[in-house]
Amino acid sequence: GQQLNQSPQSMFIQEGEDVSMNCTSSSIFNTWLWYKQDPGEGPVLLIALYKAGELTSNGRLTAQFGITRKDSFLNISASIPSDVGIYFCAGQRSGGSEKLVFGKGTKLTVNP
Amino acid sequence: DSGVTQTPKHLITATGQRVTLRCSPRSGDLSVYWYQQSLDQGLQFLIQYYNGEERAKGNILERFSAQQFPDLHSELNLSSLELGDSALYFCASSVDRDRGSNTGELFFGEGSRLTVL
Repeated sequence: GQQLNQSPQSMFIQEGEDVSMNCTSSSIFNTWLWYKQDPGEGPVLLIALYKAGELTSNGRLTAQFGITRKDSFLNISASIPSDVGIYFCAGQRSGGSEKLVFGKGTKLTVNP
Repeated sequence: DSGVTQTPKHLITATGQRVTLRCSPRSGDLSVYWYQQSLDQGLQFLIQYYNGEERAKGNILERFSAQQFPDLHSELNLSSLELGDSALYFCASSVDRDRGSNTGELFFGEGSRLTVL
């Protein structure tokens, strides 16, 4: 089945540092999304990307849809303690009823 | 608050038992998705319902079943439980386009944590 390879698995950073994580696939996706899961909560959508090459920002977060449509990255600038959580990438092959495929997540720890 | 409600939040039961998890989607959302999240695992898609009909199926075990009712709430039934079924079970709903297609933007509930002893 389709798999997304998300890296790194975990990151330990100091407050104020920038963070970068990425997601790759052997298959082409038409939609890439990034979700964040806070401890004890369900995932929440951060950014959605619908076009190859698209670069989208949401506050300190920036995500890009790779030109090959097989990858995406998420950057967080000037991290703060509330950025702690698990970040999931997700891909969808079509805009139809294809199921969303999730990566295994990047666990981010921010030290004050 | 995503607007998706899941009950119960926590459930502890024994092997061999059967449980039902309940989900109310956001107002107006016709699609409901069920995901399983085990320790150190990502979100595994189980099943999707759209307006009462099964729309897509993932890696859902035969011991598991789901349904969506006319009022659009959904239930996930887990039977003959095994230790390995211990996990967080998430329900999500989505803003849909035609016939259950969606943009990938899902709204998740807070999950039901199942512990099988």
